[in-house]
Amino acid sequence: EPEVTQTPSHQVTQMGQEVILRCVPISNHLYFYWYRQILGQKVEFLVSFYNNEISEKSEIFDDQFSVERPDGSNFTLKIRSTKLEDSAMYFCASSEEGTDAYEQYFGPGTRLTVT
Amino acid sequence: AQKITQTQPGMFVQEKEAVTLDCTYDTSDPSYGLFWYKQPSSGEMIFLIYQGSYDQQNATEGRYSLNFQKARKSANLVISASQLGDSAMYFCAMRDDRDDKIIFGKGTRLHILP
Repeated sequence: EPEVTQTPSHQVTQMGQEVILRCVPISNHLYFYWYRQILGQKVEFLVSFYNNEISEKSEIFDDQFSVERPDGSNFTLKIRSTKLEDSAMYFCASSEEGTDAYEQYFGPGTRLTVT
Repeated sequence: AQKITQTQPGMFVQEKEAVTLDCTYDTSDPSYGLFWYKQPSSGEMIFLIYQGSYDQQNATEGRYSLNFQKARKSANLVISASQLGDSAMYFCAMRDDRDDKIIFGKGTRLHILP
């Protein structure tokens, strides 16, 4: 069964460093998303991406964050200058369509630890 | 504004019993979808079941069913014949037709006892 994959599974970085989290969505999916989950808290939406541009973003997704689909398969989240509060699990998701009827398939997550 | 409420932070259930996880939601959009996800201790998010706002019948997927009561804005997850492997965090979530994002509740941690 096709699945969303994410690399790395765990990343440790120092405050102020740039990190890139990588995702490979399901191949025939057109909509891509990033969510984050701070330890012990609920999952929060960051950004959605369709047709090579951001379609929606939350207040969390400030200028420190950017997303890119550099080729036909990868979807990346970049944090330019990490802060301690960026420590969280980051989930990539993809869906076939953008309507509410289509479930979003989540990847296994990347645990980001900022020290 | 959209909102998902899960009032049970934790539940303990004996193996093989049925369990109901509560979820209420709020939205002004007439068209929306409701989801349940399971998050085991390993951290991944596993899609369990989907219910559309216009679906007449309650969704079922194997041992999972969604008790959808639209007038009450309630979307409880029912797990029949619980198993030890059902121990996990369960998130209720919603997406309405205007938005790309899924809104999640705070989750319910389910513990299945042998």
